[in-house]
Amino acid sequence: TQTVSQSDAHVTVFEGDSVELRCNYSYGGSIYLSWYIQHHGRGLQFLLKYYSGNPVVQGVNGFKAEFSKSDSSFHLRKASVHWSDSAVYFCAVRTGGYKVVFGSGTRLLVSP
Amino acid sequence: GPKVLQIPSHQIIDMGQMVTLNCDPVSNHLYFYWYKQILGQQMEFLVNFYNGKVMEKSKLFKDQFSVERPDGSYFTLKIQPTALEDSAVYFCASSLGQGNTEVFFGKGTRLTVV
Repeated sequence: TQTVSQSDAHVTVFEGDSVELRCNYSYGGSIYLSWYIQHHGRGLQFLLKYYSGNPVVQGVNGFKAEFSKSDSSFHLRKASVHWSDSAVYFCAVRTGGYKVVFGSGTRLLVSP
Repeated sequence: GPKVLQIPSHQIIDMGQMVTLNCDPVSNHLYFYWYKQILGQQMEFLVNFYNGKVMEKSKLFKDQFSVERPDGSYFTLKIQPTALEDSAVYFCASSLGQGNTEVFFGKGTRLTVV
């Protein structure tokens, strides 16, 4: 059984700051990792994914994430956040099976 | 890019009545999913559907829930009868395959049971 852990329920930063949203997973086999963003009252928007190859993946709007097998992590980062980045961010795992398993989400608040 | 469409975006229904949530998945996709999100909480997997059959379902997929995709039309989630605790946003998703293929999500249908 795969699990996804997002240790920070809330993260608050100022506009222009860098941010890291943490994601750890538990699964021993091949794994497909992704990040989604959900603005208030809206649907899920895909940010980026990793399956194999370069462990650093670039996503939309300046986001990137780095896969680490040794740490079982897939942390999301952005060098300089904008107020419009305020949203809930979900890390998700998909293994060889059917379903996507989501973490509990991290609410990012960017203060002006 | 590919889009999953959900109709309607918001539905209000009396407790005990039946409701059908409609999803128009990406046209060539073969795997279909429903997720439930209670306001401000986690996305919870409900069910996965492939080749006309439920492949996997969670404990949240109660006996009152059913899914179907008749003749390649809408992929539907039916709840009969509805209960107050069914109030949530229901997200439909689809993918071309399993494993490392991307799953595309709709914008959700907000169901309010009163």
